[in-house]
Amino acid sequence: AQKITQTQPGMFVQEKEAVTLDCTYDTSDQSYGLFWYKQPSSGEMIFLIYQGSYDEQNATEGRYSLNFQKARKSANLVISASQLGDSAMYFCAMREVRNFNKFYFGSGTKLNVKP
Amino acid sequence: AAGVIQSPRHLIKEKRETATLKCYPIPRHDTVYWYQQGPGQDPQFLISFYEKMQSDKGSIPDRFSAQQFSDYHSELNMSSLELGDSALYFCASRGRSETQYFGPGTRLLVL
Repeated sequence: AQKITQTQPGMFVQEKEAVTLDCTYDTSDQSYGLFWYKQPSSGEMIFLIYQGSYDEQNATEGRYSLNFQKARKSANLVISASQLGDSAMYFCAMREVRNFNKFYFGSGTKLNVKP
Repeated sequence: AAGVIQSPRHLIKEKRETATLKCYPIPRHDTVYWYQQGPGQDPQFLISFYEKMQSDKGSIPDRFSAQQFSDYHSELNMSSLELGDSALYFCASRGRSETQYFGPGTRLLVL
């Protein structure tokens, strides 16, 4: 079974609007971490935000926030006030405590920000 | 802040040749990961090292090998290269925090 599912291959958002990128995960572990990375067309992978499974508050980093719904096993990324530079591929990833040194990535969502 | 360094950034090889990719982790990071990302695909985990020992193995072909050295840098050795090995190869490192930080990647093209 897929560990990480991103159901939106591509999305468009108008500049200055907010956008939500979906991510659901599958694990039987009680302890795990969820991550979002951004990959611009230049290719590098940029860490955006992290949420631990025991964190009670949703993680936030500047314009990025993670809408963590543990019971639904979802970890959606919310980008507020989209900018043209946000156009990129976005990957959701998970690390389980039992496979401590292995990350599972989703298939990614290509976000296009329209001026 | 120092980031993960990968060299070379671009590499062109012919089929059946060998290639060595190098990774220098962020200072004081003791864990290194290697990933392969084909065109339009998500990164696929290859192998990881913790304190110079292999800690986990993913979908790494037998033609590939890797190691982590005493200074924590890591090398991915790829032999008998095939056309399908053309990809972006990432190294990532992790210290005490949960997060992996990725290098800029090495683009390998096999002709």
